[in-house]
Amino acid sequence: EADIYQTPRYLVIGTGKKITLECSQTMGHDKMYWYQQDPGMELHLIHYSYGVNSTEKGDLSSESTVSRIRTEHFPLTLESARPSHTSQYLCASSDSVRTGPYEQYFGPGTRLTVT
Amino acid sequence: AQSVTQLDSQVPVFEEAPVELRCNYSSSVSVYLFWYVQYPNQGLQLLLKYLSGSTLVKGINGFEAEFNKSQTSFHLRKPSVHISDTAEYFCAVNTGRRALTFGSGTRLQVQP
Repeated sequence: EADIYQTPRYLVIGTGKKITLECSQTMGHDKMYWYQQDPGMELHLIHYSYGVNSTEKGDLSSESTVSRIRTEHFPLTLESARPSHTSQYLCASSDSVRTGPYEQYFGPGTRLTVT
Repeated sequence: AQSVTQLDSQVPVFEEAPVELRCNYSSSVSVYLFWYVQYPNQGLQLLLKYLSGSTLVKGINGFEAEFNKSQTSFHLRKPSVHISDTAEYFCAVNTGRRALTFGSGTRLQVQP
């Protein structure tokens, strides 16, 4: 059973605030991902990490930043939230050795609303 | 680059009826194919996957999918749906490079 956690689950915040969305996994997976999902839309990769201290931008441009200081932790930060950042953010992880190739496990998501 | 097309944005069906959710992909290299389900206000849960071998793949909750290389399709089927199957279903492809590429999703609405 996959164990990947995201907090908070829901967040309503005002424009200009700094926010950090937390993502943690207890499986020791080396790869982690952040996807952005607008209502009724597909998921788009915004950040990707191969491992500790290794991050890349995804296919969809995002003003957010990420860090990977520990294997299990992959937080996403917005320095100044704007209404255009309103969306659902999904974190995922994978490990070719432990879970099979290319299969990703997803957290429950954080639904962000910026007013 | 790969892409995924889910041909139906919504599929209404009556309980106990069969259902097929369609998925086509395009890729110039070999692909690995997945179906995920997303219940309201939740993350994605893996239904089934095709990596290699038999083209008919069985997953959880009675779902199955068939990989058709010549038609570049990976349609999802269930012979008899339940109210609890109401959810959003996403087809995804991975060519082994980085992350998954998702389709736009199909909302399955099971009616009593």
